[in-house]
Amino acid sequence: NAGVTQTPKFQVLKTGQSMTLQCAQDMNHNSMYWYRQDPGMGLRLIYYSASEGTTDKGEVPNGYNVSRLNKREFSLRLESAAPSQTSVYFCASSTPFEAFFGQGTRLTVV
Amino acid sequence: AQSVAQPEDQVNVAEGNPLTVKCTYSVSGNPYLFWYVQYPNRGLQFLLKYITGDNLVKGSYGFEAEFNKSQTSFHLKKPSALVSDSALYFCAVRDQNYGQNFVFGPGTRLSVLP
Repeated sequence: NAGVTQTPKFQVLKTGQSMTLQCAQDMNHNSMYWYRQDPGMGLRLIYYSASEGTTDKGEVPNGYNVSRLNKREFSLRLESAAPSQTSVYFCASSTPFEAFFGQGTRLTVV
Repeated sequence: AQSVAQPEDQVNVAEGNPLTVKCTYSVSGNPYLFWYVQYPNRGLQFLLKYITGDNLVKGSYGFEAEFNKSQTSFHLKKPSALVSDSALYFCAVRDQNYGQNFVFGPGTRLSVLP
C-alpha cells in the first residue's frame, strides 16, 4: 500500500520553463491537495480538489494550475517557473479526519 | 476564516524532561484539530487528532494533546522527551462546518538535547 506518491522527488528548472508535478493516491480518497512549504511559513495551500472533476484555489494559487485527472491523480503545473516558486511541494489526500502526505518534491528555480 | 498559531519557532528541552509544543487556533465553527511531525527531508506524519469526545487525546510515540475550547488551544505534550523526538511539529485545524481544507500553523522546531 503506497499511500500518496509524488514524482519527481527533486527538480531544477530555469526561469520560464514549465513542468508538471504528479501525484497519485491509492486510498480511494475524494479530497486531494497541493501545498508548498517554505521556511517559517508552514504549509500553504495552493489548490485542492474535493472530488473528481472539481478543483478550487487555495491561499497561494498564482502561477499554478491543477488537473484532477481521475479519483487517484491530481497534478500541479507550473506554466512559467519563477524563482519565487522555489519550494518544497507536498501532495496530500484526506478523509474528513486525517490527511496523508506524499514525500515531497524539492523544486529549485534558477 | 480558519487560522493556526504556533507561538514558538523553536523549543529546546533536555532528554527525559517533559515537553510542550503550543498551538492556538481560530475557526468559525467547531474544530477538528491535528498534530503532524516532519523529520528532515520527509513528508508529514500524523501524530494525533481531536474530533470529538474526551479533551485529552493520545497519539503515536507517547505524545498526547489537550483540547481546551475556552482557550482555543491544542497543546502537544510528552511526559519524557527523547532525542529522537527532535523534529518539526505542525498543528492543523479543519472547521467541521466550512470547507475541506486543513490549515496548518507555521511549525515549531523541537530540539531534545542529550
